[in-house]
Amino acid sequence: EPEVTQTPSHQVTQMGQEVILRCVPISNHLYFYWYRQILGQKVEFLVSFYNNEISEKSEIFDDQFSVERPDGSNFTLKIRSTKLEDSAMYFCASSVWGKRTEAFFGQGTRLTVV
Amino acid sequence: AQTVTQSQPEMSVQEAETVTLSCTYDTSESDYYLFWYKQPPSRQMILVIRQEAYKQQNATENRFSVNFQKAAKSFSLKISDSQLGDAAMYFCAYLHGSSNTGKLIFGQGTTLQVKP
Repeated sequence: EPEVTQTPSHQVTQMGQEVILRCVPISNHLYFYWYRQILGQKVEFLVSFYNNEISEKSEIFDDQFSVERPDGSNFTLKIRSTKLEDSAMYFCASSVWGKRTEAFFGQGTRLTVV
Repeated sequence: AQTVTQSQPEMSVQEAETVTLSCTYDTSESDYYLFWYKQPPSRQMILVIRQEAYKQQNATENRFSVNFQKAAKSFSLKISDSQLGDAAMYFCAYLHGSSNTGKLIFGQGTTLQVKP
């Protein structure tokens, strides 16, 4: 069964360092997402991406964040200068279409900023 | 703005019994979709069940069913014959039907404990 895969599963980084989280969405899906879950809290939307551009972003997704689809399969989230409060579980998701279709999530990347 | 509320931070159920998890939402839209996602200790988000707002019939997936009350803006999840593997955090989520982006809005989650 097709699935969304994320690497790495756990990343530890020094405060102020750049980090790139990687995702391979399901191959026939057209919409891609990043969500964040701070430990013990609810899942929060960060950004959606379609046709090689951001279609919507939340207030959390400031200038420190960027997304890219560098080739036909990968979808990345970059945090330029990590802060302690960026420590969270980051989920990549994809859906066939933005409207009316559910998102399928990857297993998440746990980011720890020290 | 749409909001999703899960008022039960924790629930417990005896194995083989039935449990209902509550979810309410607030929206002025008529076209939307509702989901329940399961997050086991592995932290992966797994889709459990989906409900289209235009459908009056409640969705069912094996032991999982929903009670969708559109007027009351309520969307509860019933788990029948609970199994140890059902222990997880459950999130209710809302998707605006005419949204072009597919952005999901999640509730705070309910942690379900299943007792043997």
